[in-house]
Amino acid sequence: DTEVTQTPKHLVMGMTNKKSLKCEQHMGHRAMYWYKQKAKKPPELMFVYSYEKLSINESVPSRFSPECPNSSLLNLHLHALQPEDSALYLCASSQDQTLDTQYFGPGTRLTVL
Amino acid sequence: AQKITQTQPGMFVQEKEAVTLDCTYDTSDQSYGLFWYKQPSSGEMIFLIYQGSYDEQNATEGRYSLNFQKARKSANLVISASQLGDSAMYFCAMPDAGGTSYGKLTFGQGTILTVHP
Repeated sequence: DTEVTQTPKHLVMGMTNKKSLKCEQHMGHRAMYWYKQKAKKPPELMFVYSYEKLSINESVPSRFSPECPNSSLLNLHLHALQPEDSALYLCASSQDQTLDTQYFGPGTRLTVL
Repeated sequence: AQKITQTQPGMFVQEKEAVTLDCTYDTSDQSYGLFWYKQPSSGEMIFLIYQGSYDEQNATEGRYSLNFQKARKSANLVISASQLGDSAMYFCAMPDAGGTSYGKLTFGQGTILTVHP
């Protein structure tokens, strides 16, 4: 089973709101990823967690705060976002942070008003 | 750093025909891998096929196959017997094989494939 789940599917928030995106996998993978994707563009890596520790932060603004509570869960906490942060947010996981295949979830479509 | 180039912004194919989506890459790594993903309008990135640089055979997975030409640094995706459900954006991607960005996927710009009935 190569399933990564993400909730919610859609999220609309104001610039002063605080919200969280959730990602879950039960494949025993030890690496998890957050990507941001604008329309008709390739995904851009934001964060990587390896064995529940933050491994890569691609200079993402502090209004995005990742959290990995355990090896199956990955959260992305959002606060004081800007309209330009509106995008599709994709979560992925892989066996390890190596050349292993990354399996993606269905994404959360975020709109910031 | 890796570089992936997909030169076809859009491609059209008739149902049941084969289509080739181009991907060229540049890397200084001796050992590397290449992935193809499909992204329908719903947004999910679906893994299709993987090719390792030392694999002796071109990868195949059902109707998907890779035309891997290492000397030309190309890894083109061939979809045989196209179906209407194949209409989607297709991305070629390569992970960083070392350094602080180990595992980071670099994507091409993507190709939008439209299958006509």
